[in-house]
Amino acid sequence: KNEVEQSPQNLTAQEGEFITINCSYSVGISALHWLQQHPGGGIVSLFMLSSGKKKHGRLIATINIQEKHSSLHITASHPRDSAVYICAVSRGANSKLTFGKGITLSVRP
Amino acid sequence: DTGVSQNPRHKITKRGQNVTFRCDPISEHNRLYWYRQTLGQGPEFLTYFQNEAQLEKSRLLSDRFSAERPKGSFSTLEIQRTEQGDSAMYLCASSVTGIAEAFFGQGTRLTVV
Repeated sequence: KNEVEQSPQNLTAQEGEFITINCSYSVGISALHWLQQHPGGGIVSLFMLSSGKKKHGRLIATINIQEKHSSLHITASHPRDSAVYICAVSRGANSKLTFGKGITLSVRP
Repeated sequence: DTGVSQNPRHKITKRGQNVTFRCDPISEHNRLYWYRQTLGQGPEFLTYFQNEAQLEKSRLLSDRFSAERPKGSFSTLEIQRTEQGDSAMYLCASSVTGIAEAFFGQGTRLTVV
C-alpha cells in the first residue's frame, strides 16, 4: 500500500461544476501539499497545510489530521483547471516529499 | 526569472550513453532535491542536498547515478550507461531549511532509445 493514496484516479467534469479530489495518507506527517502539474512537466505548489483549511481563489484545501485525509475542492471549475493534481506529504526535518500518483482532471467547456 | 531552472528541458540519448542534467535553485535556498517521475506516476525521491552536502540518497539511485552540488548552488545529476528504464522526467526542487514548501523546476524529460 502506498503511503499516499489519491481518489478518484481520473476525473472529468463539466465547466462550472464543483470538484472534489481526495487524498489519504498512512504515516505521520509535518505537512500535506497539493500540487498542480500541467502538460510539459512543471509542478506548482497550490497549498501546504498541517491543519484546518486554506482557500485561494476558487481552490479550497482541507485536512483532517486524525483521519489522515485531505480534500482539494475546486469551485466553478473552468477548462483551464485541467491538469494533474498531486497530493504529497512531508515528514520530519528534511522536507522531502512523498507523492501520490496524481489525478488527471479534465474540465469540458 | 528567479525560479528554479533546469537544463536541458528535453534530452534524447542512445542506450549506453552518459547524460548530465543541471539544476539552478532559487538563489537563497539551501536545500535542493532531485525527483524522478515516470509516466502516469507521481514523482519519486532520488536525493537531496543541504548546501553542498548530500544528506540522503534513495535506493532508486543506482551506482550509475551520481549527483553533486559542489559549491552549494547549482546541482548536476549524471546518469552513466543509460538504460531504457531511465526514461523519465527528472525534477529538481529547492527550499529553505525549516520551511517545507518546495519550489519546482520545469523538469528535464529524458528519452533513452
